[in-house]
Amino acid sequence: GQNIDQPTEMTATEGAIVQINCTYQTSGFNGLFWYQQHAGEAPTFLSYNVLDGLEEKGRFSSFLSRSKGYSYLLLKELQMKDSASYLCAVRPSGGYQKVTFGTGTKLQVIP
Amino acid sequence: EPEVTQTPSHQVTQMGQEVILRCVPISNHLYFYWYRQILGQKVEFLVSFYNNEISEKSEIFDDQFSVERPDGSNFTLKIRSTKLEDSAMYFCASRQTLTGTGVTEQFFGPGTRLTVL
Repeated sequence: GQNIDQPTEMTATEGAIVQINCTYQTSGFNGLFWYQQHAGEAPTFLSYNVLDGLEEKGRFSSFLSRSKGYSYLLLKELQMKDSASYLCAVRPSGGYQKVTFGTGTKLQVIP
Repeated sequence: EPEVTQTPSHQVTQMGQEVILRCVPISNHLYFYWYRQILGQKVEFLVSFYNNEISEKSEIFDDQFSVERPDGSNFTLKIRSTKLEDSAMYFCASRQTLTGTGVTEQFFGPGTRLTVL
């Protein structure tokens, strides 16, 4: 089966750094995605990790440890527009790119 | 920038009626997906479609659901006899193909909010 855990909600201050954690137990592993979803909108792609380590993309970085079944998304220099849900999603083994989503972490950025 | 489009943005229907949700994937993409998200819950995979056939489907995607690519641009999800619990946001997504790095991300459309009364 697939199990993906994230904190339900987080609050952080504008300009600060926040780390959103994700742990997963899946039947096989073939990559982990982070998506951002503003309320009432579609998920938008942020990052993809398939090998252990840190991937940096501007203000956003994502880390993966396959042996620990663990990933985090790091957001730096938080802006008010970063208030959204952040979805951790895992692609189990297989060829067609089915992605299993976690329940998401709702981040509120406050002044 | 190319994007996935979906119509309608909101569909209201009576229980037991058939609905067809429409999607136009990005033009050079080859893999297509439907997901749903019940209000306040997680995004759930329904079905993936490649080379004019279903490649994978979830347990949610029962006989009431079907997908079709009737022409070179549209990708549709049909629900034959809607139930109250089908009320959700339905997202279409598309993906290009594998690249040298092994995978490309899925691009999501804006969604169709289906309300079953």
